Amino acid sequence: QLQLQESGPGLLKPSETLSLTCTVSGGSISSGNYYWGWIRQPPGKGLEWIGSIYKSGTTYYNPSLKSRVTISVDTSKNQFSLNLFSVTAADTAVYYCARISGGNTYSDYWGQGSLVTVSS
Amino acid sequence: QSALTQPASVSGSPGQSITISCTGASSDIGGYNFVSWYQQHPGKAPKLMIYGVTYRPSGVSNRFSGSKSGNTASLTISGLQAEDEADYYCSSYTSSSTVLFGGGTKLAVL
Repeated sequence: QLQLQESGPGLLKPSETLSLTCTVSGGSISSGNYYWGWIRQPPGKGLEWIGSIYKSGTTYYNPSLKSRVTISVDTSKNQFSLNLFSVTAADTAVYYCARISGGNTYSDYWGQGSLVTVSS
Repeated sequence: QSALTQPASVSGSPGQSITISCTGASSDIGGYNFVSWYQQHPGKAPKLMIYGVTYRPSGVSNRFSGSKSGNTASLTISGLQAEDEADYYCSSYTSSSTVLFGGGTKLAVL
């Protein structure tokens, strides 16, 4: 059974960089035609798609975050990562990593989520 | 890009059917058959319930069904059960090769 697990700091100060890693187990990032992505959810609010990456390194980003986001993949470690630069309190959210199927159209496996709080 | 539009809340009694709508544009819902629906219980990760407008993943009850007409997609839950009480989100692939989510709908089973 495929499993995804987010890891990274839970507390950041404004202007710092948010860095999260998603470790995939029970399957290989390099296998199949899947994208691997990040979705976030501010407390009490809805889901927001951040972006996704293919095993080749091709990336797609939410236009509203594109200037501050990079997603990378390390197939040797079976991990992919999210970097969000210059964070503010508005970036406080639960961050989910997910496997994206159907040609980058739907997320069929999700991590449990990682709460990241931005506060001075 | 603005979020897809969903009603904030819907409710129904056990055994009844409810429908949640999700309205977008020709650049997302209307342009592709790539609408998906997610169920989220409090404190849990979202769970895929419908993909490709009408397809159910293995293990999802056939009480859940999806459809689309023009720029609006719909999720119908028949034979409502207490365990269906949750938040539901639609999403769609877009012409920018990105994914857009709806604002979410809280389903109350009365």
